[in-house]
Amino acid sequence: DQQVKQNSPSLSVQEGRISILNCDYTNSMFDYFLWYKKYPAEGPTFLISISSIKDKNEDGRFTVFLNKSAKHLSLHIVPSQPGDSAVYFCAAAPSGTYKYIFGTGTRLKVLA
Amino acid sequence: GAGVSQSPSNKVTEKGKDVELRCDPISGHTALYWYRQSLGQGLEFLIYFQGNSAPDKSGLPSDRFSAERTGGSVSTLTIQRTQQEDSAVYLCASSLSGPTEQYFGPGTRLTVT
Repeated sequence: DQQVKQNSPSLSVQEGRISILNCDYTNSMFDYFLWYKKYPAEGPTFLISISSIKDKNEDGRFTVFLNKSAKHLSLHIVPSQPGDSAVYFCAAAPSGTYKYIFGTGTRLKVLA
Repeated sequence: GAGVSQSPSNKVTEKGKDVELRCDPISGHTALYWYRQSLGQGLEFLIYFQGNSAPDKSGLPSDRFSAERTGGSVSTLTIQRTQQEDSAVYLCASSLSGPTEQYFGPGTRLTVT
């Protein structure tokens, strides 16, 4: 039972355009969400987070949107750069807990 | 500053042998996590250490898996009598305390032949 789903295993985007990575969850108790980026042979690195009291959080080129009613979050990267090419994981947990549930990841390729 | 380090980076072992995987967290981080990533899967929670509290072992897949954390710092994940399905990348992460952003190590790729 996959509680956090990233239904697109891969995505290709032209440099300079917007990348939109999607994540769906099923557990209504989840109220803290994170995005991680992973390069080959490296561990994931934290990108951005959002709690359920917000519907948007922005950090530079990265914006995360949360739609609680749809149990859906998305990560927008604009403008996309070739260095953004990596696997992106979303993760979710109920507030105050540490057992993050991770999605299976989406491989983003930004074409120069 | 130094990040989370893990050793070895790669380990190939024969089915039935025991393996030990090591994690050195970021100094001062009281929380330490072990995850496993099998091919095509997300990160699977294995175990969580927080300070001197009893670890949460609820994610360990079988009693062949165990982990300890000595002196609140270095952690070792031990897999006894390895099976082929244990083949995966084992990731360690640490955080300042509890449920905050985690900093991951590069992982140990375990291959059981």
